[in-house]
Amino acid sequence: EDKVVQSPLSLVVHEGDTVTLNCSYEVTNFRSLLWYKQEKKAPTFLFMLTSSGIEKKSGRLSSILDKKELFSILNITATQTGDSAVYLCAVGVYNFNKFYFGSGTKLNVKP
Amino acid sequence: GAGVSQSPSNKVTEKGKDVELRCDPISGHTALYWYRQSLGQGLEFLIYFQGNSAPDKSGLPSDRFSAERTGGSVSTLTIQRTQQEDSAVYLCASSLVGMDEQYFGPGTRLTVT
Repeated sequence: EDKVVQSPLSLVVHEGDTVTLNCSYEVTNFRSLLWYKQEKKAPTFLFMLTSSGIEKKSGRLSSILDKKELFSILNITATQTGDSAVYLCAVGVYNFNKFYFGSGTKLNVKP
Repeated sequence: GAGVSQSPSNKVTEKGKDVELRCDPISGHTALYWYRQSLGQGLEFLIYFQGNSAPDKSGLPSDRFSAERTGGSVSTLTIQRTQQEDSAVYLCASSLVGMDEQYFGPGTRLTVT
């Protein structure tokens, strides 16, 4: 059965801390791994990863994929209260363009 | 340009009634997706349209669920004889063909009483 597992389920940190969010997957016909940020209802796109070992970076956020060990991490440095959200990991497969989402990591950044 | 829009934003219905949820994708996006998100959970893939065609409907939870897309644009998700377990936020997303990055709408919160 295809599945995506995120950890931790929730995390509380203080502003300025660095956090690492984890996403592991077991799917058939892997195509891509995506990270989204969900603050209210609509998830917003952060990164898409398709190749191992190539870091994607955007400001204080970065992500990397390991296709051998079947996981990805999302790092956020110097966290701010505006980073508080649920971070979703999704894996796209070639079968009928399906996407499997993890249950998310709820990040709470305290002042 | 305009993003993905969904209507209604909230829907409260009685158990056993039918509901219809609407999604307007970004203009030019030929791929359209429907997801369901239950409280505190991740997104559950329901169905994918490429143009007006849905190649795989196995993600729909039961035969009470159906979806269609017309003109390569607007899509409707219909739930017949709603049950309390259908209560969730229904999210729609669209993307350009061949692109995995999806743009999500604000969702429809469905409550079945």
